[in-house]
Amino acid sequence: DAGITQSPRHKVTETGTPVTLRCHQTENHRYMYWYRQDPGHGLRLIHYSYGVKDTDKGEVSDGYSVSRSKTEDFLLTLESATSSQTSVYFCAISESVSGGYQETQYFGPGTRLLVL
Amino acid sequence: RKEVEQDPGPFNVPEGATVAFNCTYSNSASQSFFWYRQDCRKEPKLLMSVYSSGNEDGRFTAQLNRASQYISLLIRDSKLSDSATYLCVVNRAGNQFYFGTGTSLTVIP
Repeated sequence: DAGITQSPRHKVTETGTPVTLRCHQTENHRYMYWYRQDPGHGLRLIHYSYGVKDTDKGEVSDGYSVSRSKTEDFLLTLESATSSQTSVYFCAISESVSGGYQETQYFGPGTRLLVL
Repeated sequence: RKEVEQDPGPFNVPEGATVAFNCTYSNSASQSFFWYRQDCRKEPKLLMSVYSSGNEDGRFTAQLNRASQYISLLIRDSKLSDSATYLCVVNRAGNQFYFGTGTSLTVIP
């Protein structure tokens, strides 16, 4: 258990409204990620962070912004939600496996977002 | 070409069967390899890392062939509880991870 929580777990919103999803971790991990998962596409990276105030874009960043003002919180904002952003959103952290050089990821429980 | 490709299945196998999943990756600079398991409406969870020499964890065996850019997962003596989607994951450098779309497994009583 990597101590990752996401809120809200479910949300229904209307097209054009802003939406913010929160990811919270309790174990001081440096790297945090936001993914979306859609049928036929697998997990796709939206944005990631490598430290407080340090973020970078992923594969599908258009229409999304992020912020990380504290180590433990990584926020994902849909500036003006569209129906194409209906998806399941997962937050993740990464850490070394068994103390070795390899790193792997652990995921939060996900947020199901429906944009009407 | 996708970074990671998997046969989506579905694989429907009887209890006790042996089943193998394959995965190919496109970038030869990929460094770390993993199999994740994802249950319906849940988050992906790490099943096992994949090492160059191959590795085993109970009924699960993972193999890596760097020359062919190919990863496999073998499940022996399948249990009903093995029913899930299995994701192949590749780490190219640092903290960039690439996911396959997953292979669906259903173990039938």
